[in-house]
Formats: sequence, C-alpha cells, structure tokens
Amino acid sequence: TQLLEQSPQFLSIQEGENLTVYCNSSSVFSSLQWYRQEPGEGPVLLVTVVTGGEVKKLKRLTFQFGDARKDSSLHITAAQPGDTGLYLCAGALRGYALNFGKGTSLLVTP
Amino acid sequence: GAVVSQHPSRVICKSGTSVKIECRSLDFQATTMFWYRQFPKQSLMLMATSNEGSKATYEQGVEKDKFLINHASLTLSTLTVTSAHPEDSSFYICSAKPRTGRETQYFGPGTRLLVL
Repeated sequence: TQLLEQSPQFLSIQEGENLTVYCNSSSVFSSLQWYRQEPGEGPVLLVTVVTGGEVKKLKRLTFQFGDARKDSSLHITAAQPGDTGLYLCAGALRGYALNFGKGTSLLVTP
Repeated sequence: GAVVSQHPSRVICKSGTSVKIECRSLDFQATTMFWYRQFPKQSLMLMATSNEGSKATYEQGVEKDKFLINHASLTLSTLTVTSAHPEDSSFYICSAKPRTGRETQYFGPGTRLLVL
C-alpha cells in the first residue's frame, strides 16, 4: 500500500521553467520530509515540514505543508539543469520509520 | 552535518554466497537505524528497523532469516544477505536516527549489490 502519492511521476522541462511536485495522502503525518536523490547515491534531505500550513523556502525551492498535514508540495522556480534528480517525499507514521512516495523524476534540459 | 557511511559501495557476488553490508554513523550515536531497498526506477522500500541492543523489526514480506540485521553498537548496524540470489540484486540504503529527540534521519550513500 502506497501511503504517499506523488505526482507527476516524470517531468521533463527546459531551463528557466517553473514546476510543482505534489505529495498527497489520506493519512495525517506529524511531519513530512522532502529528499533529492541522484543516481547511485543515497537521498539527501532538503527540508522537513512540521506545522500545518507551514511554508519553507530553500533558495529557488518552496515547500508547503497542507493545513491538515496530509499533503505537501514542492515548487521550483526557474529550474536549472542542476535541479535534475529524483525528488522523494516521506512521512513517518510508526515511530520514525519513513514511508516514501514513489518519487518524481525531474529532468531539466539547457 | 551528520554523516552516515556504508561499506562496501558496490559488491558483485555469486549466487548462493552471503554478503555483509555495514552502515556506520560517523559523528553521532544512533539508537535506531533503518534498512531500505530500492529497485531501479523505484522508490525506497523499508525492509527493517534496527534498534541498538535488540532484535530488528522486519516489514511484512521481508524474510528475517535471509536478511540478518545486527545493531551491536550505537554507531554500527550490519545487514547480511544470506544465500543471495539474482533477485536480491538491488540498491541497499541505510539511515540512522540520532539519539536526540529530532525525527531527522541521515542516509548513507547506498550499496549496489549484483548477484550473478
């Protein structure tokens, strides 16, 4: 059972475009995390959102946690080729074990 | 930031052999470590939760006798794939949670296992 649904699954855009990735669930999470993973490497934490309605910014990346703490979004402004990678959302339901979404594979072409 | 290492980074073995993968937290103590498996073009799937000094908790469908986990210290957890078969070929990733109350986990760089 996939607790976290991510969309879109694949995204190919040109440099300079904006994009939004969505992470949705029917479950309430105490926090959601966003990771970026490059091929052959482990995921790297981008941000943790904890409070419903919270918005966090990391340079050109804006993360939002839904008011009900069931969904989150990642918005990238003026995407660059260096943003290419697999973006994963994850939330903990039991203890601290993370449930990951299926991921969004982003390709930004020059 | 906190660093987690894995060794080896990649391993190729013959079918039927056993392979041990180490996960170390280099600059912090981790009471809990997690083992994930990731198949090509798929997301991470939790295999087991490893608590220092106690038996690991395995997720449904993961064979505890095949994937042996040992968490003997606060900085080291090992995953042994026993009698590996080609279908065990995958990317194995560990993560470690610091002893502090934060929920953040730190991920290792992963181990690529190829069973011939």
